[in-house]
Amino acid sequence: GAGVSQSPRYKVAKRGQDVALRCDPISGHVSLFWYQQALGQGPEFLTYFQNEAQLDKSGLPSDRFFAERPEGSVSTLKIQRTQQEDSAVYLCASSYSTDTQYFGPGTRLTVL
Amino acid sequence: QKEVEQNSGPLSVPEGAIASLNCTYSDRVSQSFFWYRQYSGKSPELIMSIYSNGDKEDGRFTAQLNKASQYVSLLIRDSQPSDSATYLCAVNTGTASKLTFGTGTRLQVTL
Repeated sequence: GAGVSQSPRYKVAKRGQDVALRCDPISGHVSLFWYQQALGQGPEFLTYFQNEAQLDKSGLPSDRFFAERPEGSVSTLKIQRTQQEDSAVYLCASSYSTDTQYFGPGTRLTVL
Repeated sequence: QKEVEQNSGPLSVPEGAIASLNCTYSDRVSQSFFWYRQYSGKSPELIMSIYSNGDKEDGRFTAQLNKASQYVSLLIRDSQPSDSATYLCAVNTGTASKLTFGTGTRLQVTL
C-alpha cells in the first residue's frame, strides 16, 4: 500500500530563491500536517489541513512560508526568498482523523 | 521549560537487555501519546500509541503512561542492534491536533 510521498527528496536553493515542496498523503486521509525538523531536534509543527481547509498555521515561522491543499489531497509548502535558517528537513504527515499520524520520507532543503 | 522533554542520550544498552526510554510533558490536558522511531537520515516511524494510564504491550515494546506524573515511557525488551535509532516522544493535546515532539533519545544497542 502507498504511504505518504514527498517530492523532491532533496532540494538545494540559493539564498533568495523560492521553493515548492509537495506532499501526497495516504489515500483517504483527511488530515495533513507539515513539520520542520532541524538537525538533532524533534519535528516542529508548521501547519495543519483538514481536507482543503487550513485549520492551524500557527507554526509557520514567517510570512515567507505558505501552504495550500486546494482539492483536499495533495499539499504544497512554499517558501519564498529562502534564507539559510530555512535549511532543514520538511516532513509531511497524514492521518485519517487527527490522531495517529504517518510521516512521509521528508524533503531535505539546503539553502546556500 | 520545553513542552515535551527527553534525555538526548546516547543511551547504551547491551544486546538482549531492556532499554528504558523516558519522556515528561507539561500540558496536563494532553490526551494522546506516541513513540516514533527515527533511523539516521530517515523519517519518523510510529511504533506505539497510548491513551490511558497503565501499560500497553506490543511485541517487544511496552509503553507506560502516568498522567498524574505527566510521564510516558517506552521499554524495549531483548534489545537488538537494529533497535539502535533515535526514539521520539510525541504528545497530542487533542484540541490542537498537532503533535509536539521531544528532541529524541538516541539508543545504541551494543554487541
